[in-house]
Amino acid sequence: QVQLQESGPGLVKPSETLSLTCTVSGGSISSYYWTWIRQPPGKGLEWIGYIYYSGNINYNPSLKSRVTISIDTSKNQFSLKLSSVTAADTAVYYCAREVVVGARGGFDNWFDPWGQGTLVTVSS
Amino acid sequence: AIQMTQSPSSLSASVGDRVTITCRASQGIRNDLGWYQQKPGKAPKLLIYAASNLQSGVPSRFSGSGSGTDFTLTISSLQPEDFATYYCLQDYNYPRTFGQGTKVEIK
Repeated sequence: QVQLQESGPGLVKPSETLSLTCTVSGGSISSYYWTWIRQPPGKGLEWIGYIYYSGNINYNPSLKSRVTISIDTSKNQFSLKLSSVTAADTAVYYCAREVVVGARGGFDNWFDPWGQGTLVTVSS
Repeated sequence: AIQMTQSPSSLSASVGDRVTITCRASQGIRNDLGWYQQKPGKAPKLLIYAASNLQSGVPSRFSGSGSGTDFTLTISSLQPEDFATYYCLQDYNYPRTFGQGTKVEIK
């Protein structure tokens, strides 16, 4: 059974770069869309972006200028970097796998599994 | 980006009640919608994909319906473990967008 685990600093200073890694265990990172999603404390969910195992990427336009997602297939890991952070970037950051399967002439998509999430606080 | 609007934002219900949560998309999204359950301090969990398909292992009291712009998640008989926040998510296009959530509380 595939499991995801986020890791990285829990505290980042304003204007610096947030860096997180998601380690995939129990299965290969090859294939699927590997995704980052965040949730500010007490608020809703925001999709940050994905990387496909081949390196294809897609970012949320609201964060695109500050986000970089990369993948290391040899380590079964993918990573998130978010630059120039402010207090508004304080959130629980989740990694997740987006599954895409062919169905009824199109595709069905869903996010499963998710990592447990890691809280990143932006503060001096 | 497609906007997803859930209603209500919160509700109070009793064990055994039938509960309905709705999600409306700002444009047609076919049946490209999922429902997720989130409990405090936990990651969201997939319940329904493609609007009406029950994820393996999810109790049959959960069901989803809808197509185009209007979708519904129904819990036929609310159980104690169902008190949580529920989110819809459109996977029609990128960026993926979530509804703002519906918190189901104990009456």
